[in-house]
Amino acid sequence: GIQVEQSPPDLILQEGANSTLRCNFSDSVNNLQWFHQNPWGQLINLFYIPSGTKQNGRLSATTVATERYSLLYISSSQTTDSGVYFCAVGGDKAAGNKLTFGGGTRVLVKP
Amino acid sequence: DADVTQTPRNRITKTGKRIMLECSQTKGHDRMYWYRQDPGLGLRLIYYSFDVKDINKGEISDGYSVSRQAQAKFSLSLESAIPNQTALYFCATSDPRAGGQETQYFGPGTRLLVL
Repeated sequence: GIQVEQSPPDLILQEGANSTLRCNFSDSVNNLQWFHQNPWGQLINLFYIPSGTKQNGRLSATTVATERYSLLYISSSQTTDSGVYFCAVGGDKAAGNKLTFGGGTRVLVKP
Repeated sequence: DADVTQTPRNRITKTGKRIMLECSQTKGHDRMYWYRQDPGLGLRLIYYSFDVKDINKGEISDGYSVSRQAQAKFSLSLESAIPNQTALYFCATSDPRAGGQETQYFGPGTRLLVL
């Protein structure tokens, strides 16, 4: 199956700093989603982005499908951005929209 | 109201007990999924269902069973719980007719502790 690797595993930021999280995947994908898991365990959809670039407020994401990676940018970080960020990919469309998750990047934003 | 709900939200049980986790959705989606998350790790797929009559095993189905009672309901059962099934369990839904953007939407999760 598809392998998904996220880096860095841990990130400590000062409030107001910018950061880039990376997701590498081992095969072509038809689905790629970024999630934020807050300290209470809830998974929040950030982006559906199998290719291209999207922006939502201080967050943006870019996926370069031909090179098999995706980047999540956090600008002007806030303490509420703390949590774990997951990248998840889906491969064979004929086999359904099954997601394979990366190991996550744990982000701590300090005031 | 939340589109995807899970009950219970927290459960403590003993080894050998049968337990059922329930998922309901009001999104009208045909596809539903059960994932498991162990501490410090990403989610792994247990079972998935494309419609009421179509149920498939995921990556880690051993020790689990599911039931799709209706389009809106998908239940996960642990027939005889064991301690290494202690985890956070998530239900998710998706719509294959969503114009090519088949986003998965997740419920709030159920924390299960098996003693």
